[in-house]
Amino acid sequence: KNQVEQSPQSLIILEGKNCTLQCNYTVSPFSNLRWYKQDTGRGPVSLTIMTFSENTKSNGRYTATLDADTKQSSLHITASQLSDSASYICVVSFDRGSTLGRLYFGRGTQLTVWP
Amino acid sequence: NAGVMQNPRHLVRRRGQEARLRCSPMKGHSHVYWYRQLPEEGLKFMVYLQKENIIDESGMPKERFSAEFPKEGPSILRIQQVVRGDSAAYFCASSASGRNYEQYFGPGTRLTVT
Repeated sequence: KNQVEQSPQSLIILEGKNCTLQCNYTVSPFSNLRWYKQDTGRGPVSLTIMTFSENTKSNGRYTATLDADTKQSSLHITASQLSDSASYICVVSFDRGSTLGRLYFGRGTQLTVWP
Repeated sequence: NAGVMQNPRHLVRRRGQEARLRCSPMKGHSHVYWYRQLPEEGLKFMVYLQKENIIDESGMPKERFSAEFPKEGPSILRIQQVVRGDSAAYFCASSASGRNYEQYFGPGTRLTVT
């Protein structure tokens, strides 16, 4: 069964600190892995997209890593800001047949940054 | 350059009524996707449409739900005879090419069935 699991479910950190969010997936065959940020009451916004051949991708203070062998990804946020408070969603794209490109979403990690 | 537009943002329906959710993709995008997000759950794929065609509806319930993306106008997700379990946030996304490319999400429509 194609699944995406994220941990932790929620996380509270102080402003200026770093944090790392985890994602494990069983989607196979896999095409690409994406991280999205979803603010409360809004739609998800893309942070990074990585294909299976990429190990890391950065977008400002966000750095995603991917280990396609162990089917694990992480999102590292450096020097957190209050505006980083949001849900971070790991999304994996399926790569076969008529459902090529279908996206599977994790439940997200709810990050809260305190001043 | 306007992003993906959805309306209404909030919709309240009584059990048994019909709900119509609209999605206008980003300019130049001809691929539209609908997702549903139940409380405390991740987004779930429902249907993928290209202009005038349904490409993949494998995630959509077979009864009461339908979707269209006409040649002119927005994409419509239609839910007939709504039940309390349909209460959720419904998100639309669009892409310029197929779904293996970047998808841009709208703000969602929050449907409440009373």
